[in-house]
Amino acid sequence: DAGITQSPRHKVTETGTPVTLRCHQTENHRYMYWYRQDPGHGLRLIHYSYGVKDTDKGEVSDGYSVSRSKTEDFLLTLESATSSQTSVYFCAIRKQGLADTIYFGEGSWLTVV
Amino acid sequence: AQSVTQLGSHVSVSEGALVLLRCNYSSSVPPYLFWYVQYPNQGLQLLLKYTTGATLVKGINGFEAEFKKSETSFHLTKPSAHMSDAAEYFCALGAGNMLTFGGGTRLMVKP
Repeated sequence: DAGITQSPRHKVTETGTPVTLRCHQTENHRYMYWYRQDPGHGLRLIHYSYGVKDTDKGEVSDGYSVSRSKTEDFLLTLESATSSQTSVYFCAIRKQGLADTIYFGEGSWLTVV
Repeated sequence: AQSVTQLGSHVSVSEGALVLLRCNYSSSVPPYLFWYVQYPNQGLQLLLKYTTGATLVKGINGFEAEFKKSETSFHLTKPSAHMSDAAEYFCALGAGNMLTFGGGTRLMVKP
């Protein structure tokens, strides 16, 4: 258990509406990540954060923004949701060590109709 | 650039048979390699990881993987499949700040 909580776990929203997913961690890790999972694509990185107010883009960042105002929370926002953003979203943290290892939350299922 | 290829999006084995899930990678730096397992409607759970040193890595649930630099491979094996092994498995490559995933292999176990 890496102390990661995602909310909401399930959400249905309409095209064009804004959506925010929240990731909360309890272990004070510096690095946090948002991935999306789609059939045949594995997991693809959307954005990641390497500290408070420090974020960077991943390979599929278009249409998404993130914010990290405190160490424990990493927010993912879809400014105007589209059907192509229907996916399962996973938050992850990185435990630093001999080989930094990434641990995942339980996922947030988002459906855009 | 880093990339991971998992050969076979679906693998089916009989209970008690050998499990072999294939993973090949491409990396411009020495890789850290991982296998994750995902059960339905759950997050990803770390099975095992390769860092440096011993090339045969043992993980949880009886799985192991062997790092072969000459073949750029990190295949996952288990001598005897169990029904509870049915899940999706992901190979991942760690480099820098990010983890790059393969497309996943769904393992089905027949009774």
